[in-house]
Amino acid sequence: DQQVKQNSPSLSVQEGRISILNCDYTNSMFDYFLWYKKYPAEGPTFLISISSIKDKNEDGRFTVFLNKSAKHLSLHIVPSQPGDSAVYFCAASAGIQGAQKLVFGQGTRLTINP
Amino acid sequence: NAGVTQTPKFRILKIGQSMTLQCAQDMNHNYMYWYRQDPGMGLKLIYYSVGAGITDKGEVPNGYNVSRSTTEDFPLRLELAAPSQTSVYFCASMLAGVEKLFFGSGTQLSVL
Repeated sequence: DQQVKQNSPSLSVQEGRISILNCDYTNSMFDYFLWYKKYPAEGPTFLISISSIKDKNEDGRFTVFLNKSAKHLSLHIVPSQPGDSAVYFCAASAGIQGAQKLVFGQGTRLTINP
Repeated sequence: NAGVTQTPKFRILKIGQSMTLQCAQDMNHNYMYWYRQDPGMGLKLIYYSVGAGITDKGEVPNGYNVSRSTTEDFPLRLELAAPSQTSVYFCASMLAGVEKLFFGSGTQLSVL
């Protein structure tokens, strides 16, 4: 029962182009969504988040879009840089208050080619 | 500022052995978590704590125990190691009201 799904295990993008990573969820109680980035041999690091009251949140080169009716969110990286090569995890939680018991997707490995 | 520190980084156990994975944070965070990541899978929550003396089960608690005697430390105990516990374990912490987790660098555990 995978409540958060990232259906693309890997994605390859040319440097300077846009990277789009997708995430789908099934639990309608989820109301807070996050993206984490993970390099090899390191723990995940927080990238960007969005509350269900918004449909877009932007932070520099990173933008997250939320489509509640489709239960879908996406992360856009523009322009993509070689340092963006990492595994990206989508995560969701029900209830922004209190302990964040996050449910993670399987991850998408992004490779940025020079 | 060390953040979240996990020890050891690597460990090999024999079936039936016990061990404790250590986790410490120096950010005075209220909440602490243990996740495991299996190959090709997302992170799954094992246990979490909202403060010293308070712990609760996550999605996959069987085979594990935790304690939280101080704000800083949140050790994870494996009593009778099984091959199914071969995984990478991540500890994380969060300050209440700041909705993002800070993760340690992980412990890679193999049970043979």
